Amino acid sequence: GAVVSQHPSWVICKSGTSVKIECRSLDFQATTMFWYRQFPKQSLMLMATSNEGSKATYEQGVEKDKFLINHASLTLSTLTVTSAHPEDSSFYICSAREQRTEETQYFGPGTRLLVL
Amino acid sequence: QKEVEQNSGPLSVPEGAIASLNCTYSDRGSQSFFWYRQYSGKSPELIMFIYSNGDKEDGRFTAQLNKASQYVSLLIRDSQPSDSATYLCAVKVSGAGGFKTIFGAGTRLFVKA
Repeated sequence: GAVVSQHPSWVICKSGTSVKIECRSLDFQATTMFWYRQFPKQSLMLMATSNEGSKATYEQGVEKDKFLINHASLTLSTLTVTSAHPEDSSFYICSAREQRTEETQYFGPGTRLLVL
Repeated sequence: QKEVEQNSGPLSVPEGAIASLNCTYSDRGSQSFFWYRQYSGKSPELIMFIYSNGDKEDGRFTAQLNKASQYVSLLIRDSQPSDSATYLCAVKVSGAGGFKTIFGAGTRLFVKA
């Protein structure tokens, strides 16, 4: 099956610093990637939809200047949490939709961010 | 109104029983529906998807869709302790950036050995 990787899997940072999370589709081309955030015991909340070569579309309430998304190629999207604060601590999960099927989303393993 | 609603549970069933998970959605134009399983601390994994009204079976899992009632369900036959997880219902909807998948809050299932 299709594989999506994320890096890093765990990150601890100080308040005010920026953190970059990478999402890669390893064996397929993904025209669209999604970034989700999940707080403990809550569901996945879609943050933004990222289409290769164009600007990301952010969901209502998500600050685009704080959560910078770049989708430079068909296999890589990055999420940068700028000036992170403790309330940004969460589980960030990306998913990629395969170009060929345009249906099924494959999820990465997630990145757990802890901001001190 | 939430776009995708699920009973948070927990739903507790004995081993070998049938677990029934339900989901309703608000966007009548939705065409694609998914069930994901998520173990604690892990990302979701796709169990199955369904597009057409009726039942779709895959091994011990059966998805049921009723578009008129805007209702999707997942049946797990012969439930095993390893099925204990949170089950997420997801619906593909159209958005500004194209199609996107919206998730329900999930139902926690506990299968007792």
